[in-house]
Amino acid sequence: GAVVSQHPSWVICKSGTSVKIECRSLDFQATTMFWYRQFPKQSLMLMATSNEGSKATYEQGVEKDKFLINHASLTLSTLTVTSAHPEDSSFYICSASWGNPRTGMDGELFFGEGSRLTVL
Amino acid sequence: AQSVTQPDIHITVSEGASLELRCNYSYGATPYLFWYVQSPGQGLQLLLKYFSGDTLVQGIKGFEAEFKRSQSSFNLRKPSVHWSDAAEYFCAVGPIFTGGGNKLTFGTGTQLKVEL
Repeated sequence: GAVVSQHPSWVICKSGTSVKIECRSLDFQATTMFWYRQFPKQSLMLMATSNEGSKATYEQGVEKDKFLINHASLTLSTLTVTSAHPEDSSFYICSASWGNPRTGMDGELFFGEGSRLTVL
Repeated sequence: AQSVTQPDIHITVSEGASLELRCNYSYGATPYLFWYVQSPGQGLQLLLKYFSGDTLVQGIKGFEAEFKRSQSSFNLRKPSVHWSDAAEYFCAVGPIFTGGGNKLTFGTGTQLKVEL
């Protein structure tokens, strides 16, 4: 199956600093990437949807200035947590899908391994 | 709005016993349905999916799921559980793609523990 890789898998930072997490599709071109946040023992909450070359669409309640998403190429999307605070500590997971917007998609998402952010 | 309910937060089964994880969904049309498994500290792995056709879907690792429209359910089953199946299982529902990506809604998950 298709491979999606996230980096870093674990990051610790000081409060007030910014952290960038990368999500790469290694063997396919991802027209759409999704970013999720997962709190301990809870489900995945969709944060935003990003399409290559356009602005990300954020879910209600997600601060777009806090969580900057860039999808500069068909194989890379980045999530930058700006001015991180302890409450931003979480497990962030990306997923990617491919397809032709004109004809529809397979519908399958491929997930990265996740990135655990700890803000001190 | 679409939603997914997984009624069981935790389930414990003995190795070799059968397993059924429940999933109920709410969606205004025919949905895409998925089951994912997550090991601790890991991303999600797709077990199986239902788009259309045969309502009994076979997946990886010996799992299967049955789509029952009348009950709005998509329960996951396995005839004989292995200790390595211990993990968190998520049911998800999404719209049939019409352009722009497949936006899934996840259930809260069911934590499976396997007793040896």
